[in-house]
Amino acid sequence: AQKVTQAQTEISVVEKEDVTLDCVYETRDTTYYLFWYKQPPSGELVFLIRRNSFDEQNEISGRYSWNFQKSTSSFNFTITASQVVDSAVYFCALSEAMGGATNKLIFGTGTLLAVQP
Amino acid sequence: KAGVTQTPRYLIKTRGQQVTLSCSPISGHRSVSWYQQTPGQGLQFLFEYFSETQRNKGNFPGRFSGRQFSNSRSEMNVSTLELGDSALYLCASSLFSLAESYEQYFGPGTRLTVT
Repeated sequence: AQKVTQAQTEISVVEKEDVTLDCVYETRDTTYYLFWYKQPPSGELVFLIRRNSFDEQNEISGRYSWNFQKSTSSFNFTITASQVVDSAVYFCALSEAMGGATNKLIFGTGTLLAVQP
Repeated sequence: KAGVTQTPRYLIKTRGQQVTLSCSPISGHRSVSWYQQTPGQGLQFLFEYFSETQRNKGNFPGRFSGRQFSNSRSEMNVSTLELGDSALYLCASSLFSLAESYEQYFGPGTRLTVT
């Protein structure tokens, strides 16, 4: 069954530290998509990145970077030089095909990141 | 471009009542999906509507229903509310159906409290 595991429930760092959020997934699909979303206290999920299963190239966007490794079924997210504004809950998600009609998102349980000034 | 809007933002209802939540997708987006977020179960898929048709539904009882209008706006209805229905209900829109498009943009959610 499709599953996303975010083993880190909470992480607390001091501003300017680097932090990595782990994500491990399980799927039987050969084609799938992985996502990261940020949920600030306001509640709205903010899309960060989408990665398809055929593209293992790491991606960097400003202070954010993602490491996708199919061999270990992991899609980890690193924030470099963290800032207080990075404080939020971060969700990793996996798209799941449902009979070809819909691809719903399977979310991990989220990691609460607290960046202290 | 305006984002996904959800109304109301907060709602308090009593057990046994029914509730209707509304979602307006990003202009031009034709797919609307609904998710329930609770501390215990996390984020769970409820259903997706595309072109006024329900494409698929998650593992929720029949008390949860929805519909989509011709302008892509969607409503979600929960009848005979239970305490366990207290949650943040998130709506997400995407340009195409979820089978064709993997980018979903979420609204701020409606926080429903059932007493």
